[in-house]
Amino acid sequence: EAGVAQSPRYKIIEKRQSVAFWCNPISGHATLYWYQQILGQGPKLLIQFQNNGVVDDSQLPKDRFSAERLKGVDSTLKIQPAKLEDSAVYLCASSLNYREGGSYEQYFGPGTRLTVT
Amino acid sequence: KQEVTQIPAALSVPEGENLVLNCSFTDSAIYNLQWFRQDPGKGLTSLLLIQSSQREQTSGRLNASLDKSSGRSTLYIAASQPGDSATYLCALPSQEISSGSARQLTFGSGTQLTVLP
Repeated sequence: EAGVAQSPRYKIIEKRQSVAFWCNPISGHATLYWYQQILGQGPKLLIQFQNNGVVDDSQLPKDRFSAERLKGVDSTLKIQPAKLEDSAVYLCASSLNYREGGSYEQYFGPGTRLTVT
Repeated sequence: KQEVTQIPAALSVPEGENLVLNCSFTDSAIYNLQWFRQDPGKGLTSLLLIQSSQREQTSGRLNASLDKSSGRSTLYIAASQPGDSATYLCALPSQEISSGSARQLTFGSGTQLTVLP
């Protein structure tokens, strides 16, 4: 089974530039997550999709960040304009839908390391 | 709001030593708890998932325990090896956002483990 794919793996941009990240989840996984991981911290959720609808984007800085999941499969996360504090690893994860009484597991991609100079 | 703490932030041990990593959480009404491993520049690999009804879970040299009443989980690594060097993160699902959707994870900041040859 192929894992979660992300690209690019690394990106260096100057502040005020824009950048986009791409994620392809595991086939059949309805739920997709974008997490931001700043150095030395645990990942923090930015946005959660179920199919192509947004479940939770309460922690997404909407003045500069946007995300979409067209057709309920691939997703893109965009930052425009970037700030120095956006330097982080951006992780994409996917999971099956929640099942009552069952367990679920999130599968993570390798991440995109963004450096804003 | 669930808060997750991991102590120590960093740990260095000689090869062959048994060790324990700690994770504490503030809200004992949990669904499950996951332990992840993160290698430098890589994504997260799930190690163990403990359901709220379980007390422990084992995989090879790893054993994770869960005590909901005290808000604690431990990850025990037996006979540590240099290949175990990585950052270990614990994570708990949030309260369900909407019926039928999977749950986002709240992470601790991780323990960076170094096993010296």
